[in-house]
Amino acid sequence: SQQGEEDPQALSIQEGENATMNCSYKTSINNLQWYRQNSGRGLVHLILIRSNEREKHSGRLRVTLDTSKKSSSLLITASRAADTASYFCATESGGGNKLTFGTGTQLKVEL
Amino acid sequence: GAVVSQHPSWVICKSGTSVKIECRSLDFQATTMFWYRQFPKQSLMLMATSNEGSKATYEQGVEKDKFLINHASLTLSTLTVTSAHPEDSSFYICSARDATTRTEAFFGQGTRLTVV
Repeated sequence: SQQGEEDPQALSIQEGENATMNCSYKTSINNLQWYRQNSGRGLVHLILIRSNEREKHSGRLRVTLDTSKKSSSLLITASRAADTASYFCATESGGGNKLTFGTGTQLKVEL
Repeated sequence: GAVVSQHPSWVICKSGTSVKIECRSLDFQATTMFWYRQFPKQSLMLMATSNEGSKATYEQGVEKDKFLINHASLTLSTLTVTSAHPEDSSFYICSARDATTRTEAFFGQGTRLTVV
């Protein structure tokens, strides 16, 4: 399987704290994307980082990419209870536009 | 952002019957749509890639005769689960990419299928 691994599998933090999730993958990629999924719902695209980029920001989100280590991290700063969800990384390789999803991190932000 | 509508959001059917799930891109054209299956607390597993006007490409281990995919237009793809069994119960999600931008994928809200 080409599926990536994410850690931690589950993360519980207090509101206001930062949350960091890591993603590792196995093959060369064109880009890596992070998605959010609320329980029983579809996925929402958060951010895309291309293979030639090392860091990207979007609001409270910061994504890093290390292609030499085949890994990425997602940092959510000043977390809120509404950030509670599952977060998935997904990689795109080759020319087929297919996304391969990681195993996901379940984030719980408590008041 | 772009909108992908998936219908129905949930369905309960009897064993042996067939169920059709629709995936529509509402405000963009999607030459390619993807169908995923997700088990509880697990990741998305790609089942097949749906190409407008041609046959779908199935991932290894996915039965093409059981999961029929039709992509008749640039805005609609359907997944039909034929002769459903309880083990087909799952969460099915479609996604579509804008044929012009070809970057981020937009996901439908998913369909919870329960076969009894």
